[in-house]
Amino acid sequence: SQQGEEDPQALSIQEGENATMNCSYKTSINNLQWYRQNSGRGLVHLILIRSNEREKHSGRLRVTLDTSKKSSSLLITASRAADTASYFCATDASGSYIPTFGRGTSLIVHP
Amino acid sequence: NAGVTQTPKFQVLKTGQSMTLQCAQDMNHNSMYWYRQDPGMGLRLIYYSASEGTTDKGEVPNGYNVSRLNKREFSLRLESAAPSQTSVYFCASTSAGNQPQHFGDGTRLSIL
Repeated sequence: SQQGEEDPQALSIQEGENATMNCSYKTSINNLQWYRQNSGRGLVHLILIRSNEREKHSGRLRVTLDTSKKSSSLLITASRAADTASYFCATDASGSYIPTFGRGTSLIVHP
Repeated sequence: NAGVTQTPKFQVLKTGQSMTLQCAQDMNHNSMYWYRQDPGMGLRLIYYSASEGTTDKGEVPNGYNVSRLNKREFSLRLESAAPSQTSVYFCASTSAGNQPQHFGDGTRLSIL
């Protein structure tokens, strides 16, 4: 069963626009991670945010975590065609450290 | 700097055949994982090995067996393949459970 669920399932934007995708989860967590998957490839880790953190940045990526709402968001600023991929959140429930992945958001960035 | 290597990349089997999927990592990671990815289902954990010498069931272990051969290698075996096992299989590794996972590029398995 999926612990984290991404929203929306699909997102289509123009190059230069910002892309925001969300992840909701059900139980208390240790960490929340975001991964990217290009077509035909394995997942690549983007950002890990711990339960006591509220925001992290990496280049054009910004991740927020709201433990009171059990949700996280991934913002990609000034998107590029190369950002076209599926994005997954993964959560590990408190005491587990085994990540559970959501179904992903498919992002298409049109040049 | 290979990271996580999976072999083979593609395979077609007939129902009832057996097969072993191989995974090796060169990052000296303690933990290794096998997932399957089906359309609309995300990744589901089949088995994992928290450390050399240990293996545990994940969410969907039925029909599979695993072997942690040494610290580098973690194999997944299908003893009697079924069409429901048609999927893309990913191996991943991490240094510790609270650290990012590194993934291979997957094995695309079709069972007829």
